[in-house]
Amino acid sequence: EPEVTQTPSHQVTQMGQEVILRCVPISNHLYFYWYRQILGQKVEFLVSFYNNEISEKSEIFDDQFSVERPDGSNFTLKIRSTKLEDSAMYFCASGELGTDTQYFGPGTRLTVL
Amino acid sequence: AQSVTQLGSHVSVSEGALVLLRCNYSSSVPPYLFWYVQYPNQGLQLLLKYTSAATLVKGINGFEAEFKKSETSFHLTKPSAHMSDAAEYFCAVKSGGTGRRALTFGSGTRLQVQP
Repeated sequence: EPEVTQTPSHQVTQMGQEVILRCVPISNHLYFYWYRQILGQKVEFLVSFYNNEISEKSEIFDDQFSVERPDGSNFTLKIRSTKLEDSAMYFCASGELGTDTQYFGPGTRLTVL
Repeated sequence: AQSVTQLGSHVSVSEGALVLLRCNYSSSVPPYLFWYVQYPNQGLQLLLKYTSAATLVKGINGFEAEFKKSETSFHLTKPSAHMSDAAEYFCAVKSGGTGRRALTFGSGTRLQVQP
């Protein structure tokens, strides 16, 4: 069964460094999403992406965040200058055109020291 | 704005007992509602969804949920718990408005199943 994959599973970085989290969505999906879950808190929406542009973003998704679909298979989340409070589990999700179901990847745990 | 409240951060049941996980939503427009399950060290897996068709929705692994507009609820049930059901369960609502697709999640309920 097709699934969303994410790499790396765990990323440790120093405050102020740039990180790129990678996702491979399900191949025929056209909607892509990033969510995050700070330890002990709710899963929070960051951004959705469709037709090579951001279609919706939350107030969390400020100028330090960016997303890109650099090729036909990958979807990335870049954090330009990480802060301690960016430490969280980051989930990628994808969805088909015409449905509301989102399929989630296993997540990348980001630790900012 | 849409919101979801899950009552009970931890629920413990005996194997074979009824599972009831509570979810109440707030929405200014007819909602789409979802239940996801997260097993340890895994991603979120869709259990079931309500998208304005039948109010009783059946999902995977024997789970079902009933949409009750009058109670603004979408509680998740399973008649007989199995040890493998131990996981964290999240209720989510799709944000309203044309073109909006973001999911708003509840805080989750961790289900423990005792032998």
